[in-house]
Amino acid sequence: GAGVSQSPSNKVTEKGKDVELRCDPISGHTALYWYRQSLGQGLEFLIYFQGNSAPDKSGLPSDRFSAERTGGSVSTLTIQRTQQEDSAVYLCASSFQKGTNEKLFFGSGTQLSVL
Amino acid sequence: AQSVAQPEDQVNVAEGNPLTVKCTYSVSGNPYLFWYVQYPNRGLQFLLKYITGDNLVKGSYGFEAEFNKSQTSFHLKKPSALVSDSALYFCAVRDWNQGGKLIFGQGTELSVKP
Repeated sequence: GAGVSQSPSNKVTEKGKDVELRCDPISGHTALYWYRQSLGQGLEFLIYFQGNSAPDKSGLPSDRFSAERTGGSVSTLTIQRTQQEDSAVYLCASSFQKGTNEKLFFGSGTQLSVL
Repeated sequence: AQSVAQPEDQVNVAEGNPLTVKCTYSVSGNPYLFWYVQYPNRGLQFLLKYITGDNLVKGSYGFEAEFNKSQTSFHLKKPSALVSDSALYFCAVRDWNQGGKLIFGQGTELSVKP
C-alpha cells in the first residue's frame, strides 16, 4: 500500500491478556515510531527504530511493553498482562530519515480497549 | 531533554478571523520544529517545518508558522480561519540529544465557528 498500515484497527481485550499490534511502514522508510494517544494526554512517545541502530526504548511505560522490527520493515508492539490504563490509540509512523528534516507519515492507529 | 509546550488546550475562533495556535520550545542547539494536524477521524498529517532560513515558514492549507528565537516560540498562524480548520494541532521538536526522535506537545484543539 501507499501509506502506513496498522492492524487491527480496533482491539478489545480483557485485563491481564497479552495483545500484539502490527505496523507496516511505507516501503523504504528507515525510521519507525510508536506513539500512544490518550484523551487529554497528547502524543506520548513509546519507541523509535532507526535503520540498524539499537532502538530508543526510553518511552516505554513499563516492562510489560516491548516492540520489535523484523527485517527493517514490519514492527510489532506487544503489551503483556494488559491493564485498563493501557486503553488508548496506538499510532505508528515512519519516515525516510536519511536527512535531518524528514516528515513522519502516520497510520490510522489501533484503538485498544482493555475491559 | 528537548521539549515543546502548547499552553492552550483549546482555541476558539470565528470563521474569517485570524488564528494563532501557540507553541514554545526548549532545546539545546538549533531547533528542528514541526507542526502536525489531526482532523476528526483521520490520521495525523504533516503541516510544516522549520529547520533553518526564513523565520516565517509556509505550509499546507494556507497555514504558516513564525520561528522566534528570542521568545523560543513557533506559533502556528492563518490569516483567515475556515470551519474546516477545526482539528487537533500538535507542535513537535527533534531531540538530537536522543537519536533524533520526534517529541510532540500535548496538542491544541482548534474550533472554528461559522
